[in-house]
Amino acid sequence: DTAVSQTPKYLVTQMGNDKSIKCEQNLGHDTMYWYKQDSKKFLKIMFSYNNKELIINETVPNRFSPKSPDKAHLNLHINSLELGDSAVYFCASSQDATGGGEQFFGPGTRLTVL
Amino acid sequence: GNSVTQMEGPVTLSEEAFLTINCTYTATGYPSLFWYVQYPGEGLQLLLKATKADDKGSNKGFEATYRKETTSFHLEKGSVQVSDSAVYFCARPGASGTYKYIFGTGTRLKVLA
Repeated sequence: DTAVSQTPKYLVTQMGNDKSIKCEQNLGHDTMYWYKQDSKKFLKIMFSYNNKELIINETVPNRFSPKSPDKAHLNLHINSLELGDSAVYFCASSQDATGGGEQFFGPGTRLTVL
Repeated sequence: GNSVTQMEGPVTLSEEAFLTINCTYTATGYPSLFWYVQYPGEGLQLLLKATKADDKGSNKGFEATYRKETTSFHLEKGSVQVSDSAVYFCARPGASGTYKYIFGTGTRLKVLA
């Protein structure tokens, strides 16, 4: 059984389009995250939700909007896609927001903006 | 502030060579420390962790010891295999109340047969 799943795995789209990435975790965790990984493998935290409440909102363009319909799901919607948005986006979850435990990562969504 | 610094890669080794990937941290107090591994085309997964000073985490032949004197958590393996080729990330929780994890920049390991 997949613990953290993301769809789609690959996303190729044109500049200016709007797209969404979905994430689901079946671990019963309270906290979920979105990360962006660039071509040099650097990981940047974007957002985090704890029990559907936004707790981390990093300096990210407001074209990016997360939504958590319930604590098992965290989606990422991106408006007006730009070339610089091309990256791999990872969803992750952890038991809670205290920061002492393991994070479980999804397989990633490779976004390519043409 | 709170940070994690790990050695830059790439690291290229022959099979059965000894591996060390350095990681140092800055912190107030003694946070838990983690090593994550990212195999090609996959997400990160926990490799090992240590929750207090002098603890040793180990898994799959990898080890790391939480050393408060040197504020280090270096990853070691006595004999690497081609299948260990991956990117390795040192990590720690962020400052209390920030809810973040702080990841190092990642070290790419390539093991040659």
